Amino acid sequence: ETGVTQTPRHLVMGMTNKKSLKCEQHLGHNAMYWYKQSAKKPLELMFVYSLEERVENNSVPSRFSPECPNSSHLFLHLHTLQPEDSALYLCASSQPTGRGANVLTFGAGSRLTVL
Amino acid sequence: SQQGEEDPQALSIQEGENATMNCSYKTSINNLQWYRQNSGRGLVHLILIRSNEREKHSGRLRVTLDTSKKSSSLLITASRAADTASYFCATGDSSYKLIFGSGTRLLVRP
Repeated sequence: ETGVTQTPRHLVMGMTNKKSLKCEQHLGHNAMYWYKQSAKKPLELMFVYSLEERVENNSVPSRFSPECPNSSHLFLHLHTLQPEDSALYLCASSQPTGRGANVLTFGAGSRLTVL
Repeated sequence: SQQGEEDPQALSIQEGENATMNCSYKTSINNLQWYRQNSGRGLVHLILIRSNEREKHSGRLRVTLDTSKKSSSLLITASRAADTASYFCATGDSSYKLIFGSGTRLLVRP
């Protein structure tokens, strides 16, 4: 256990479904991240929240909608996804040191399959 | 946009041998980090080296950084079967962004 918990671990959904991925961290960190990992591609940074405010949004399609209700919880709401959105979605958290170095603690990931 | 690129993409060695992985990046950085990922799992932080450092050690890991060449290397000495995993470099600036490379898949044969 890393202190970052993601649920569900596996999700299969149709293109017309609406689902959500959940991430919870018990580390007292104040920044949370969503990354997407597709086969044979680098990890793609999707969103970053710091103190519940979105500070990064890397041109992610609007069918992905993040929500950060407090510093311990992060959601990724999914709707009308495409098969190419099938991937491992990784949540991470960090406690910025003030010296510009963020060390990320990752969850185990949510494996999403879009049919 | 992709920042770090690891080389080689895949590496197969015998247990007990050393494994060296390289990372090249394009823009100026504040720090460079290495992470390990076991199959289908999350990434685990291994080591961080700041832009004003040239070398860092942690157990069997040795990381070097050459900012003039925009490159870093990760050396794992006396490898074990449990070191089998994918290894990623990630570059950080002064913001929250941490940009990962494509990774090196390491196989350590018993």
